[in-house]
Amino acid sequence: DAGVIQSPRHEVTEMGQEVTLRCKPISGHDYLFWYRQTMMRGLELLIYFNNNVPIDDSGMPEDRFSAKMPNASFSTLKIQPSEPRDSAVYFCASSLALGLYYNEQFFGPGTRLTVL
Amino acid sequence: GENVEQHPSTLSVQEGDSAVIKCTYSDSASNYFPWYKQELGKRPQLIIDIRSNVGEKKDQRIAVTLNKTAKHFSLHITETQPEDSAVYFCAAKDSGNTPLVFGKGTRLSVIA
Repeated sequence: DAGVIQSPRHEVTEMGQEVTLRCKPISGHDYLFWYRQTMMRGLELLIYFNNNVPIDDSGMPEDRFSAKMPNASFSTLKIQPSEPRDSAVYFCASSLALGLYYNEQFFGPGTRLTVL
Repeated sequence: GENVEQHPSTLSVQEGDSAVIKCTYSDSASNYFPWYKQELGKRPQLIIDIRSNVGEKKDQRIAVTLNKTAKHFSLHITETQPEDSAVYFCAAKDSGNTPLVFGKGTRLSVIA
């Protein structure tokens, strides 16, 4: 398996534009996570899915953020409209399970988002 | 919910010296404590973990210790090398279907 795949790797956009980040988890993994990483806040969990169903989106900062997982092999994180403070590295991760075992999270390479 | 505090936020050591990173957690139900390493410009990757039925675990130059009574756990790196330079994240969770809660990370610099 190629691991978790994210696209694009870098995104530069202007304030007010819509941004869509994409993720393909490892095949067979039941859990998918979206994180945002900044120097100030570290790794923040935004939302996670189990079998394509969103379980907890309490980390989504505002209504401008939305995430979907239409099938087991694809998820998107959308920001509309984008703002400069959204600039960060966004990671997608997946894991086989969430209990005490088989819960290692495999991270994608991340998308570095810059909003001008 | 769980809260994980990590210290220090930055750490510089001379090559060959030891480095220790400490984390505390708040939820006594937590019983799984992994450590992730993130090299510059790369993704976080699991390097070692410990479950609450053991107090210490070693893997070559790295070791983790856990004190459940005090609710803290630590990462120890001995004989540090330049390739150990990275950001290290601790995390904690319980045995249920709850996600990991990460600390804010420690930036370790190993000076040659």
